Amino acid sequence: NAGVTQTPKFQVLKTGQSMTLQCAQDMNHNSMYWYRQDPGMGLRLIYYSASEGTTDKGEVPNGYNVSRLNKREFSLRLESAAPSQTSVYFCASSGGGQGFSEQYFGPGTRLTVT
Amino acid sequence: GNSVTQMEGPVTLSEEAFLTINCTYTATGYPSLFWYVQYPGEGLQLLLKATKADDKGSNKGFEATYRKETTSFHLEKGSVQVSDSAVYFCALESGGSYIPTFGRGTSLIVHP
Repeated sequence: NAGVTQTPKFQVLKTGQSMTLQCAQDMNHNSMYWYRQDPGMGLRLIYYSASEGTTDKGEVPNGYNVSRLNKREFSLRLESAAPSQTSVYFCASSGGGQGFSEQYFGPGTRLTVT
Repeated sequence: GNSVTQMEGPVTLSEEAFLTINCTYTATGYPSLFWYVQYPGEGLQLLLKATKADDKGSNKGFEATYRKETTSFHLEKGSVQVSDSAVYFCALESGGSYIPTFGRGTSLIVHP
């Protein structure tokens, strides 16, 4: 079991460029999440997908879009990158439906926007 | 809404010292409670959990007890090691919600 995988591990973008962060899980989990982690800010939820075919905004969705491609894959797209989007991005998945189930995290993507 | 409050770090200890990281929460209903650990350069991983009042979660020498009366879930370890240096996150999930609530994280630094 690979668990949750993310690509790429590192990325440098120029302001205005676009990119897609990929995430896949092999645990047959229903729910998937995208977070960003910034120093002193903890984890902030960008978007989540409670089940295949649904996506919802989290705390900080502006500047991002997501696609739940199938049950395994959940991608995060930055259409026009800004320096404020410099961060570490984590994908996570959870299998238990509504509450009571721990999250499994990927290793993260370290993104720098210049 | 739900919230989790953790003590601010960093917490700096010598090897073999006793560790306590405080965590209190506010939630509707009866949430499940979690501690996650994040080692440098990695994602978060579950350390332990408790799903009902008075449950004790334990793993790798760490323990935490779900205290409903004080709405707390403090993390403890009797004797820390250098390898325990990491950031620790307290979190909760309420029934009926797909969205967990995380604390801000507490950095632990253990010196030899």
